[in-house]
Amino acid sequence: EVQLVESGGGLVQPGGSLRISCAASGFTFNGYWMHWVRQAPGKGLVWVSRINGDGSGTNYADSVKGRFTISRDSAKNTLYLQLNSLRAEDTAVYFCAREADYGANDYWGQGTLVTVSS
Amino acid sequence: DIQMTQSPSSLSASVGDRVTITCRASQSISNYLNWYQEKPGTAPKLLIYAASSLQSGVPPRFSGSGSGTDFTLTISSLQPEDFATYYCQQSYSAPCTFGQGTKLEIK
Repeated sequence: EVQLVESGGGLVQPGGSLRISCAASGFTFNGYWMHWVRQAPGKGLVWVSRINGDGSGTNYADSVKGRFTISRDSAKNTLYLQLNSLRAEDTAVYFCAREADYGANDYWGQGTLVTVSS
Repeated sequence: DIQMTQSPSSLSASVGDRVTITCRASQSISNYLNWYQEKPGTAPKLLIYAASSLQSGVPPRFSGSGSGTDFTLTISSLQPEDFATYYCQQSYSAPCTFGQGTKLEIK
């Protein structure tokens, strides 16, 4: 059974940093692109970033480029998102998701809440 | 970046109704269009990928169509569990943008 479990969210001050994680199981982790998608309270889904299977290729939304870094550890079957220079508008539930056929996200984690506030 | 525009933003309908949601891309995305259902407090669920392919386990009352820039999601006969928010997403090129969502409410 495919499972994605996020962790590491919490309260952080503006300008601070946080690393969130997504533990994957039930599939060949390094065979799939992986994505991060976020959802601010009461708002819609916003795509954040993606990384290819071996970690050599990444893409970012303009709103996080230069501040966030996506990475993965195949030995630990874990996806990461390093969030730096955090702003209030980064407050959201962050979901990790697996990419399947045609770039669709077929499996999602339950999300981890990141709150940026003083 | 490719912009995705959904309409309507909200929709009221009754159980048994046929409902259609549209999604327009700012440039051609071939058939790299996906539809998701989201309910509060739960992760999004993939319904349709590649514009018209039904994801495994999704009821056949859901269908998708379109190519290029214009796409539709149709629910043939609304069931109580279908009242949710629906999003389109293009996966043609990064950033893999979502539409703003369509909230489907009970009339």
